[in-house]
Amino acid sequence: AQKITQTQPGMFVQEKEAVTLDCTYDTSDPSYGLFWYKQPSSGEMIFLIYQGSYDQQNATEGRYSLNFQKARKSANLVISASQLGDSAMYFCAMRGGVHNNNDMRFGAGTRLTVKP
Amino acid sequence: EAGVAQSPRYKIIEKRQSVAFWCNPISGHATLYWYQQILGQGPKLLIQFQNNGVVDDSQLPKDRFSAERLKGVDSTLKIQPAKLEDSAVYLCASSVQLAGSWMGTDTQYFGPGTRLTVL
Repeated sequence: AQKITQTQPGMFVQEKEAVTLDCTYDTSDPSYGLFWYKQPSSGEMIFLIYQGSYDQQNATEGRYSLNFQKARKSANLVISASQLGDSAMYFCAMRGGVHNNNDMRFGAGTRLTVKP
Repeated sequence: EAGVAQSPRYKIIEKRQSVAFWCNPISGHATLYWYQQILGQGPKLLIQFQNNGVVDDSQLPKDRFSAERLKGVDSTLKIQPAKLEDSAVYLCASSVQLAGSWMGTDTQYFGPGTRLTVL
């Protein structure tokens, strides 16, 4: 069975500072993908970044980077130079391989608040 | 490129009534997903379609929920009859990947969701 855990219900960060949102996972699939989504108050899930289980390098997309530690089964999201518009819910998700019908499982989310 | 479209955006009904949601995925996306997101939780997969066939509906409460994807494009999700605990946001997503194969990155793109309130 697949499991995604986000242990931080809420996080605060000062504008222009960096913040790390934690995510750990568990799966029996050798191949899997890890995703981070942002959900503002409007409700839409916005894709941020992806990391494949066989990727050697950590993924980066602009101000977002994923700190992937495979042995520890963690996939933390790092947001650099936080902006007020980054205030939102952030969800970590894992997509299993063929053994799990490629199902996507989401964590409970972390609410990030950026303070001016 | 147009995103995933959903309608309606909001719906309020009384318990035991019926409701239907509509989703139009991104053009060319083979796989379509319906998720239920209860307030304060992450989305939970209800059903996954590959073209017009069901790949996974193991978490769909089939006694009251049904979904179809005729012609492999648009999809509708129906609840009949609704219960109070069905109050949630219903999210539709689509992706390029064919189910049953691993092709590396397969990002799911979400629509704006339908917020359902059951009174």
